[in-house]
Amino acid sequence: EVQLVESGGGLVRPGGSLRLACAASGITVSDNYMNWVRQAPGKGLEWVSVLYGDGRTFYAVSVKGSFTISRDNSRNILYLQMNNLGTEDTGVYYCARRPRADSNHMDVWGKGTTVTVSS
Amino acid sequence: DIQLTQSPSFLSASVGDRVTITCRASQGISSYLAWYQQKPGKAPKLLIYDASTLQSGVPSRFSGSGSGTEFTLTIRSLQPEDFATYYCQRLNSSPLFGGGTKVEIK
Repeated sequence: EVQLVESGGGLVRPGGSLRLACAASGITVSDNYMNWVRQAPGKGLEWVSVLYGDGRTFYAVSVKGSFTISRDNSRNILYLQMNNLGTEDTGVYYCARRPRADSNHMDVWGKGTTVTVSS
Repeated sequence: DIQLTQSPSFLSASVGDRVTITCRASQGISSYLAWYQQKPGKAPKLLIYDASTLQSGVPSRFSGSGSGTEFTLTIRSLQPEDFATYYCQRLNSSPLFGGGTKVEIK
């Protein structure tokens, strides 16, 4: 069974940092296009970042320069390092898989981890 | 930048109703559109991809159509478990979601 499990969320003060993790089972993170998507409380979905199988990374304008996506191939884990957090970064963070280079959808999602940025 | 506009943003419907949600792209995106269902406190669930392909395991009462700039998600006969928020999405190097349509019980 394919499964993604996020962790690492919590309460952090503005300006602080957090590292989220997404542990994958049933798939190989390095073989897929792995995304982070977030959702502020009561709001819609916002794409955050993607890590391609070939190592290329892309970021939403709102997080570029503050967030870094990476992976640990040996542990099959996707990460999102979030620095200089602001209250606008509060929300649930999901990791999600885009299965192939020619696919245009995300077919597997984790349950999410909650990040709260507050003083 | 391409924008995705969903309409309506909210709709009230009864069990058994036929429901149609529209997603309009500001520029043509061929058939590169997906639809997701999200229930409160849960992760999004893929329903439709490539505008009209039903994801495995999704009931056949869900269907998608369209290409270019206008797309629709149709629920043929609304069931109690279908009350949720629906999002369209265009996926490329900078994915984009529509604003969502909340379907509530009338």
